[in-house]
Amino acid sequence: GQSLEQPSEVTAVEGAIVQINCTYQTSGFYGLSWYQQHDGGAPTFLSYNGLDGLEETGRFSSFLSRSDSYGYLLLQELQMKDSASYFCAVKGNAGKSTFGDGTTLTVKP
Amino acid sequence: DTAVSQTPKYLVTQMGNDKSIKCEQNLGHDTMYWYKQDSKKFLKIMFSYNNKELIINETVPNRFSPKSPDKAHLNLHINSLELGDSAVYFCASSHPDQYEQYFGPGTRLTVT
Repeated sequence: GQSLEQPSEVTAVEGAIVQINCTYQTSGFYGLSWYQQHDGGAPTFLSYNGLDGLEETGRFSSFLSRSDSYGYLLLQELQMKDSASYFCAVKGNAGKSTFGDGTTLTVKP
Repeated sequence: DTAVSQTPKYLVTQMGNDKSIKCEQNLGHDTMYWYKQDSKKFLKIMFSYNNKELIINETVPNRFSPKSPDKAHLNLHINSLELGDSAVYFCASSHPDQYEQYFGPGTRLTVT
């Protein structure tokens, strides 16, 4: 089976940097993705890591270490609009994606 | 143009009823999914179809039956609705070689 762990809540102030960690156990691994979901909205794709290392997309970066079964999402220059839930997701065998339970990020002024 | 659309957006019904949710994507993707998100925001995959064929069927009660008339549509029919079925149901699609999934706006189902 597949299981993912991420913190349930994170709080930070505007302009700060926050890191959301994700550890996983999976049978078959084809990549770690991150999704953002605002209250009342749908999950939207943020980033994907298939190989070890850092991927950067604007203020957001994502990191993967396959040997440690670990990844993180780094959000820089936090803005109020970044307040949302963030999900890591692992794609395993048969193309099945398993999502973590989500991390609620609250950005305070 | 909406990439992944679902109807209805809200569905309020009584226990024991049967209801359907429809999903359509205009992205040309081969793979479509149904997810259930409960009140704690846990997002769980229910079904996945690739080119109209069922490839993932999680431990979902038999009361839930997906149907894919063509690769652009994936509908979800639910029989004998129960209180525990209350949730937001998301349809999503992706290209089989890509990792990004595109989610529909969700259908909030409330069973009373």
